[in-house]
Amino acid sequence: GAGVSQSPRYKVAKRGQDVALRCDPISGHVSLFWYQQALGQGPEFLTYFQNEAQLDKSGLPSDRFFAERPEGSVSTLKIQRTQQEDSAVYLCASSPWTANTEAFFGQGTRLTVV
Amino acid sequence: EDKVVQSPLSLVVHEGDTVTLNCSYEVTNFRSLLWYKQEKKAPTFLFMLTSSGIEKKSGRLSSILDKKELFSILNITATQTGDSAVYLCAVEAYGGATNKLIFGTGTLLAVQP
Repeated sequence: GAGVSQSPRYKVAKRGQDVALRCDPISGHVSLFWYQQALGQGPEFLTYFQNEAQLDKSGLPSDRFFAERPEGSVSTLKIQRTQQEDSAVYLCASSPWTANTEAFFGQGTRLTVV
Repeated sequence: EDKVVQSPLSLVVHEGDTVTLNCSYEVTNFRSLLWYKQEKKAPTFLFMLTSSGIEKKSGRLSSILDKKELFSILNITATQTGDSAVYLCAVEAYGGATNKLIFGTGTLLAVQP
């Protein structure tokens, strides 16, 4: 596609519910990043994929967070047993290189846990 | 701990004004500094700076980096209402499997007609 596409755009989950957030990167982009942006804050790194390999997951806040990119294109960020502090915008970015330089961001998914 | 600090947190100006946004950083393994404009949700890339003292310019926007004093500024001249957005500064740091972006909290700019 023309840009990075994320779905859903908005998600409301009850506390304890599992959610799955999808990212379609720009076709052919090697690198894919997930960020979490809380209200009034800058994005914070969660995890990084180079093709299908998850090379860095140091930013995942707990073992309730899990990400995958099985075929090196679409990625899914899963959050199990959601809690209120998980409420944030989740941004996905992709880059044709193995670095952040000029990575293209998607519109994000706003998750609200009630 | 690596950190990026932006100021001011928010700013209200009138169309035609010139604004200067500030970004200071303390980051080990510095590689580059990037500026993004965030409208609604998706940050869009503005500039990448790697060398001190070399101004990058795009239309009414310009930016410069001082690696000795560890800061950058983003200037917007003749502001327009379409410039209203959050401006994010991020530092790219070498490390591990990839270079991470460390973001500041952003400056919210509101340009009034």
